[in-house]
Amino acid sequence: EIVLTQSPATLSLSPGEKATLSCRSSQSVGSYLVWYQQTAGQAPRLLIYDVSNRATGIPARFSGSGSGTDFTLTISSLEPEDFAVYYCQQRSNWPLTFGGGTKVEIK
Amino acid sequence: QVQLVQSGTEVRKPGASVKVSCRASGYTFSTYIMHWVRQAPGQRPEWMGWINAGNGETKYSQKFQGRVAITSDTSASTAYMELSSLRSEDTALYYCARDYGGGYFYFDYWGQGTLVTVSS
Repeated sequence: EIVLTQSPATLSLSPGEKATLSCRSSQSVGSYLVWYQQTAGQAPRLLIYDVSNRATGIPARFSGSGSGTDFTLTISSLEPEDFAVYYCQQRSNWPLTFGGGTKVEIK
Repeated sequence: QVQLVQSGTEVRKPGASVKVSCRASGYTFSTYIMHWVRQAPGQRPEWMGWINAGNGETKYSQKFQGRVAITSDTSASTAYMELSSLRSEDTALYYCARDYGGGYFYFDYWGQGTLVTVSS
């Protein structure tokens, strides 16, 4: 099973600041890496698929990069609605697995 | 608009079974794969399996093999997930989630979640 490790666990930032979230895989997942956003009490929301493709309706301040085993989600300038938990997910191997999440909180 | 509406909260005793439903609307149900993902309190999401609503093909995570059954009723545009031999560690929010397409294996729409509590 592919293990995804996200860091940091918590990121404390102010609105307008840049957020950089990391997802590291225990083995290569190629470009099959996906990012979701989850706000309290809600289901996850698809943000980015296959490393860098924004899902429908996702603002341009969200971007993804990386390949192989190291991936990054960047939020260029945090809006109030961006404070949430972010998960990465790999679709390269069975079973599909998720990272442990990064909580972006208001500083 | 795409909507996935799940059945309500369930409480079961250890050893029992639970069946959760997910009614889809706003798209052609039979042309997509439907997944089930669970999330225990404060934990990462955990993928359980999927069903191809068009042909009934299923695939399960090995962790749940033998305990989970995912089925669908195309006439009702509804998918079901049944989990048996429940234990306390199965207490979680269970989500249905639509595959992005016919086998992309990521999720573009999610149900609202069904809380399953297992307690004696």
